[in-house]
Amino acid sequence: QSALTQPPSASGSPGQSVTISCTGTSSDVGGYNYVSWYQQHPGKAPKLMIYEVSKRPSGVPDRFSGSKSGNTASLTVSGLQAEDEADYYCSSYAGNNKVIFGGGTKLTVL
Amino acid sequence: QLQLQESGPGLVTPSETLSLTCTVSGDSLSSYFWGWIRQPPGKGLEWIGSISYSGSTYYNPSLKSRVTISIDTSKNQFSLKLRSVTAADTAVYYCARLGTTWAPFEYWGQGTLVTVFS
Repeated sequence: QSALTQPPSASGSPGQSVTISCTGTSSDVGGYNYVSWYQQHPGKAPKLMIYEVSKRPSGVPDRFSGSKSGNTASLTVSGLQAEDEADYYCSSYAGNNKVIFGGGTKLTVL
Repeated sequence: QLQLQESGPGLVTPSETLSLTCTVSGDSLSSYFWGWIRQPPGKGLEWIGSISYSGSTYYNPSLKSRVTISIDTSKNQFSLKLRSVTAADTAVYYCARLGTTWAPFEYWGQGTLVTVFS
């Protein structure tokens, strides 16, 4: 069971939009609408930002949005702000009560 | 407000058993699932396993032979045991709450660093 594939890094200037991809297989990302995204600042616990592909928990700004096409899920951050600089991880249900995570993407706000 | 707190030794000797407990406050363990996730220094997240409020367990296949997760609803705690540890098990260990096996990890503890070192 391999980790989901994410780009190691992404960047954008304040106010711009950036999209982070998360590629899996038909056995995980492509097979279920149970993709989540987490934000992690240095030394802190991850924070849930998106669940079930595109839903936002209460309190998460609508600048964060999620989508999925085939075996690839995406997280888009619009109107980039300095505080969005963090590591982002995707995760997916992989059947048989299993969960897998992506390798993580470091988002830099230039 | 729901809070999760990991506790346990920060240093474990190779080949021994890593034992951690997660104490939940602000809510009951009932009606939810609870999980353990770890993160080696400078690396990504890895799901270790989850347990239901009734005690059903689900483990990462890569760790299944060494992991036991248990729950004690009377103490509002759930626990992790990882046997035969090596340096590769050095990581920050997080406990978290999820709605069911396919649900996201909604609430996380602050994490605790466990170092395997002789």
